[in-house]
Amino acid sequence: GEDVEQSLFLSVREGDSSVINCTYTDSSSTYLYWYKQEPGAGLQLLTYIFSNMDMKQDQRLTVLLNKKDKHLSLRIADTQTGDSAIYFCAEKDNFNKFYFGSGTKLNVKP
Amino acid sequence: GAVVSQHPSRVICKSGTSVKIECRSLDFQATTMFWYRQFPKQSLMLMATSNEGSKATYEQGVEKDKFLINHASLTLSTLTVTSAHPEDSSFYICSVKDRGWAPTNEKLFFGSGTQLSVL
Repeated sequence: GEDVEQSLFLSVREGDSSVINCTYTDSSSTYLYWYKQEPGAGLQLLTYIFSNMDMKQDQRLTVLLNKKDKHLSLRIADTQTGDSAIYFCAEKDNFNKFYFGSGTKLNVKP
Repeated sequence: GAVVSQHPSRVICKSGTSVKIECRSLDFQATTMFWYRQFPKQSLMLMATSNEGSKATYEQGVEKDKFLINHASLTLSTLTVTSAHPEDSSFYICSVKDRGWAPTNEKLFFGSGTQLSVL
């Protein structure tokens, strides 16, 4: 399968911006995704980006894609305590199979 | 997006018993559903792809006889963990792919997951 790598932890203060990074290996990925998982719950789709885009903004969320470096990031502006969760990046290959990173646990301190 | 209901949310069973987990697509008919397994603090591992009216497609290393998948209708897929053992304890999540044409059908929506604990 493809490799999707993420750092395991990120800690920020409430009101600051959070940036969660992800690298992937499949250069033929057509779509890349960010999911949020709260304790004991399933994954919630936050946003996704088509591979021919460099950036996508959706309210407090900004996704940046560097296709050359196979690097994806999620920026959360004005991070709130309710944003504390595990964030997964994922890519979809040409066979419609999804590959997930190991997840980044975001801790937001009041 | 798609609404996916998964039941039960938590189950505790004795070793040797079988456990059935249901996954329902509430707002559209899903010909394909996916079953994932998640270990604590780890990523999701795709176990199998559930196809309505046909056999499921299992990923390498996943025992077909251990994890029985039935997708008898367009809105329901079930995963049965047969003769469960403590090492089967995990978080199981189902998902469906959104319907329609790109880009809407490129999204995967998840159920709320089932925490299985085998004593």
